[in-house]
Amino acid sequence: GAVVSQHPSRVICKSGTSVKIECRSLDFQATTMFWYRQFPKQSLMLMATSNEGSKATYEQGVEKDKFLINHASLTLSTLTVTSAHPEDSSFYICSARPSGRAGDEQFFGPGTRLTVL
Amino acid sequence: QKEVEQNSGPLSVPEGAIASLNCTYSDRGSQSFFWYRQYSGKSPELIMSIYSNGDKEDGRFTAQLNKASQYVSLLIRDSQPSDSATYLCAVGYDTGGGNKLTFGTGTQLKVEL
Repeated sequence: GAVVSQHPSRVICKSGTSVKIECRSLDFQATTMFWYRQFPKQSLMLMATSNEGSKATYEQGVEKDKFLINHASLTLSTLTVTSAHPEDSSFYICSARPSGRAGDEQFFGPGTRLTVL
Repeated sequence: QKEVEQNSGPLSVPEGAIASLNCTYSDRGSQSFFWYRQYSGKSPELIMSIYSNGDKEDGRFTAQLNKASQYVSLLIRDSQPSDSATYLCAVGYDTGGGNKLTFGTGTQLKVEL
């Protein structure tokens, strides 16, 4: 149990375009999902917390107008990188915390590697 | 600023040995602690969670927590080459609106034949 999928796994786009990444919890419901970014040789940095039915909460320094998050259902959250630039190239990983379960465990999706040319 | 510190390694151990990975954290109020394994180019995979002082065992893995010392560790018994990965320590903290995780930079473990 606790499987999270992410799509696409890899995307290459031109500078200035927008990219949408989907995160789905496959066998559980998740009121809360999280979006992380990981640069090479660095640890995971939390970008934002996605709450079903309400606005996302962004970490300091993360532009909410650039990284649009929508958590439309208890199993789906999307991250849209708008007007992507080469510095946005990174490994984007979502995680989900099962609803109604004791504990704070987060289960990660396989990640999306974004390359902006 | 919530901080989680880990030795980056690499930590090299021979196959069959015990690997010991350590982590310290700064927030005394933290109540939840996790170890994730991350293979190169992949996303993290949850190995262990621990919430109370003491030891918690799951197969070849044992997590140890000492809240007074703000220290959490992971022991891997009978280390296998497939255990070679980066191990991330994560600490939960309450934001008032739910818990978030702060991750350490990870310790690279190499299990040698």
